[in-house]
Amino acid sequence: QVQLQESGPGLVKPSQTLSLTCTVSSGSINSADFYWSWIRQHPGKGLEWVGHVFHSGSTYYNPSLNSRVTISIDTSKNQVSLRLNSVTAADTAVYYCARFYGGNYPPSFDYWGQGVLVTVSS
Amino acid sequence: DIQMTQSPSSLSASVGDRVTITCRASQSISNYLNWYQQKPGKAPNLLIYAASRLQRGVPSRFSGSGSGTDFTLTISSLQPEDFASYYCQQSYSTPSTFGPGTKVDIK
Repeated sequence: QVQLQESGPGLVKPSQTLSLTCTVSSGSINSADFYWSWIRQHPGKGLEWVGHVFHSGSTYYNPSLNSRVTISIDTSKNQVSLRLNSVTAADTAVYYCARFYGGNYPPSFDYWGQGVLVTVSS
Repeated sequence: DIQMTQSPSSLSASVGDRVTITCRASQSISNYLNWYQQKPGKAPNLLIYAASRLQRGVPSRFSGSGSGTDFTLTISSLQPEDFASYYCQQSYSTPSTFGPGTKVDIK
């Protein structure tokens, strides 16, 4: 059973950098079958895909965040990281990491972490 | 970006009711459509992938259909544990996008 666990500060000051880590257990982060994704959910709102990373380090970002976001992977630690620069109150959200997997079918987010609430406030 | 819409945005139903939720894409996405259930304070849970395929462990009262731009999630007989929000998501192109959600609550 694949498990994903997000960790990081729950409070970030405006203009600073949000940094989160997702630790993946019971699964191969190094597999070519998966992308490792970050998705966020503003309070009481819907879901927004932030971006994802492949085991090789290739990344894809949501254009709405492209200039501020960096996603990286450390296969030796089974971890995926998210950095979001120059945050504002609009970045307050629950941040989820999730596995994006397709195999023989169109891909879906089949495993999710529990999520971590990040509040941007001074 | 591909825009996803859902209807209704909310509905009230009783245990045992048949419930249908519709999702529409702004352009054809073939069968690159997934459905998720989310309960308050919890992460979304994959129900249906590839428009109609039931994720392992999901009860058979859930089903999905559709192709192209129009899709449907059906719960054949609503159970108490099904009161939740439901989201569709397209994985046809990047950025992947979600519908705004449908909240199913108790009548």
